[in-house]
Amino acid sequence: SYVLTQPPSVSVAPGETARITCGENNIGSKSVHWYQQKPGQAPVVVVYDDYDRPSGIPERFSGSNSGNTATLTISRVEAGDEADYYCQVWDTSGDHLYVFGTGTKVTVL
Amino acid sequence: VQLVESGGGLVQPGRSLRLSCAASGFTFDDYAMHWVRQAPGKGLEWVSGISWNSGSISYADSVKGRFTISRNNARNSLYLQMNSLRAEDTALYYCAKLYCGGGGGCSSRYFDYWGQGTLVTVSS
Repeated sequence: SYVLTQPPSVSVAPGETARITCGENNIGSKSVHWYQQKPGQAPVVVVYDDYDRPSGIPERFSGSNSGNTATLTISRVEAGDEADYYCQVWDTSGDHLYVFGTGTKVTVL
Repeated sequence: VQLVESGGGLVQPGRSLRLSCAASGFTFDDYAMHWVRQAPGKGLEWVSGISWNSGSISYADSVKGRFTISRNNARNSLYLQMNSLRAEDTALYYCAKLYCGGGGGCSSRYFDYWGQGTLVTVSS
């Protein structure tokens, strides 16, 4: 079954770039989606289909996916970007059809 | 789009609970719906999903045989019947609408709208 591995935490100074990885064998063959979850709130999708952004999501959020790693990049980080981030794929190879990553806490210094 | 969960609460191990999700703001019977849970301080875990016409249903291994998902399109409602509850089922349960893209094969699937969740606590 799929296990999407993310770093537990990423720390970044305001204005710098945060990169969050999501790893699994051959993840590049799947569509990866990214969610932002702030404390006490439901998750919100910030990137879908590897690199597309829903309306209302700033261009500072971007994604890529190749080989064994998908990456969410947050440019010019702001204090409001502090949150937990999860990657997600649809996996048809096992019973757990929808798989979330382990989650990454982004801290803005 | 609005998704409002209800039915959570404190329940003893081995007992049952039924969650509901009231949907509005979109054509409910056009979309698959899912339940996703989050244990306190933990990550997201997909629980179960149901197609628009209830013709396709799936469960995570952790709840298979104990939980039953259903929907009533006439009432714009989604349900989760949870039996034989365990301490490890303690979580915030979210109702989520599935976006299906990538053409007719629905190769791209993600959750574009979520409710605020209902808390289930399993404890004696």
